[in-house]
Amino acid sequence: DQQVKQNSPSLSVQEGRISILNCDYTNSMFDYFLWYKKYPAEGPTFLISISSIKDKNEDGRFTVFLNKSAKHLSLHIVPSQPGDSAVYFCAARVYNTDKLIFGTGTRLQVFP
Amino acid sequence: SAVISQKPSRDICQRGTSLTIQCQVDSQVTMMFWYRQQPGQSLTLIATANQGSEATYESGFVIDKFPISRPNLTFSTLTVSNMSPEDSSIYLCSVQQGPYEQYFGPGTRLTVT
Repeated sequence: DQQVKQNSPSLSVQEGRISILNCDYTNSMFDYFLWYKKYPAEGPTFLISISSIKDKNEDGRFTVFLNKSAKHLSLHIVPSQPGDSAVYFCAARVYNTDKLIFGTGTRLQVFP
Repeated sequence: SAVISQKPSRDICQRGTSLTIQCQVDSQVTMMFWYRQQPGQSLTLIATANQGSEATYESGFVIDKFPISRPNLTFSTLTVSNMSPEDSSIYLCSVQQGPYEQYFGPGTRLTVT
C-alpha cells in the first residue's frame, strides 16, 4: 500500500507563475514531512520540511502547507523559474524513527 | 550539508553476477541509508546502516540479497547479489544530518541484462 501519494505525475507552469505540487498521505503516524527536488542523473536534494504540529513553513520562494485533517500537503513555488524544472518528491518520516517514505514524484516543467 | 559520492555511477551487469556499490561521505555520520528507485517508482528504503552494528533491513529486503558493510563513519557498501533484470534500478545512499533531514548521493544506475 502506498502511504504517501503524489497523484499528479507531471505539471507544466509558465515562468513567473505559481507552481503547486500536491501530496496526500494515509498514515497518521508521520511526524515530519519533507520535499525533495531531483534533477536527472543526480540524487534528490532536500528543499523544505514541515513538522506535523505546524500548518505552514516558508523558505524564500518555497512554502509548504500541511492540512492534517485532510492528510494533505502542498508545496508552493512562487515565482516559478525554469531552473525549478525537476522531479519533486514528498516524503514523510515515520514518527520517532529515521525512516522516510517517499511519494512517486511529480515532474515539474517551467516554460518561458 | 555533507558531500556524498557513489561508485560506480552506472553499470551494466549480466544476470547472476553481483555488484558492489560504494558510498563515501566527506564527514563522519552515524546513520547511512540505502534506497532503491525502480523505473517510474518512488524511492524505497532497503536498509539502515550504523557503524559497528548489523544493518537493519526493511520488509522485502534480505541480507543475502543485499549485504551491506559499514566499516567506519564515512563509508558504506551495498552489494546486489545474484542479479536479475528486476534489480535494474537506481541505488542511492543517504546520510542523516539534523534531526530528520537526509541528504543523498548521486545514485548508481544499474542495468541487468
